[in-house]
Amino acid sequence: DTEVTQTPKHLVMGMTNKKSLKCEQHMGHRAMYWYKQKAKKPPELMFVYSYEKLSINESVPSRFSPECPNSSLLNLHLHALQPEDSALYLCASSQGGGAFFGPGTRLTVL
Amino acid sequence: GQQLNQSPQSMFIQEGEDVSMNCTSSSIFNTWLWYKQDPGEGPVLLIALYKAGELTSNGRLTAQFGITRKDSFLNISASIPSDVGIYFCAGHTGSNYKLTFGKGTLLTVNP
Repeated sequence: DTEVTQTPKHLVMGMTNKKSLKCEQHMGHRAMYWYKQKAKKPPELMFVYSYEKLSINESVPSRFSPECPNSSLLNLHLHALQPEDSALYLCASSQGGGAFFGPGTRLTVL
Repeated sequence: GQQLNQSPQSMFIQEGEDVSMNCTSSSIFNTWLWYKQDPGEGPVLLIALYKAGELTSNGRLTAQFGITRKDSFLNISASIPSDVGIYFCAGHTGSNYKLTFGKGTLLTVNP
């Protein structure tokens, strides 16, 4: 099973809302990632978790808050987002080599 | 930080033609990866390369890890309409789990 799942597929939220994105993998991978992607641009790294601990934060604003409840799950909590945060949010996992990506959550902030 | 220079930026080809794209870096990478992304979907891993000089095929796709460890190319033979999409190269330096991406090559195949 090389699948990474993400929910929801689409999310529309207002600037005062609080919402969460969820990601799950059952490949036993030790690293999990959140990426943000704008149209026709490469994915931009936001966070990396290694062995359930945050190992990389690419200077992401605090309105994005990651959480890794266990080795299979990764959440991204969203609060007080701005319209420019609208993008495709991708989760990925790896064992140190190739990273496997989920289908993404298309986020629109109104 | 590390940057990957991917070229060409876009390609328009006829069905049946072969395609070649490449990535170069000023830094040494320990792993080179090639992904394809369709609109609204996540990138799909096509080929992973782990050794300098390694040449790996996946169906009509062939990729190589450059000897200097600073470049990689991807060839697609006998292109078909479903090859349309954005192709990204990516690499690891191996010092952490950070994956650096190229800017992508947009491939259009005319039937």
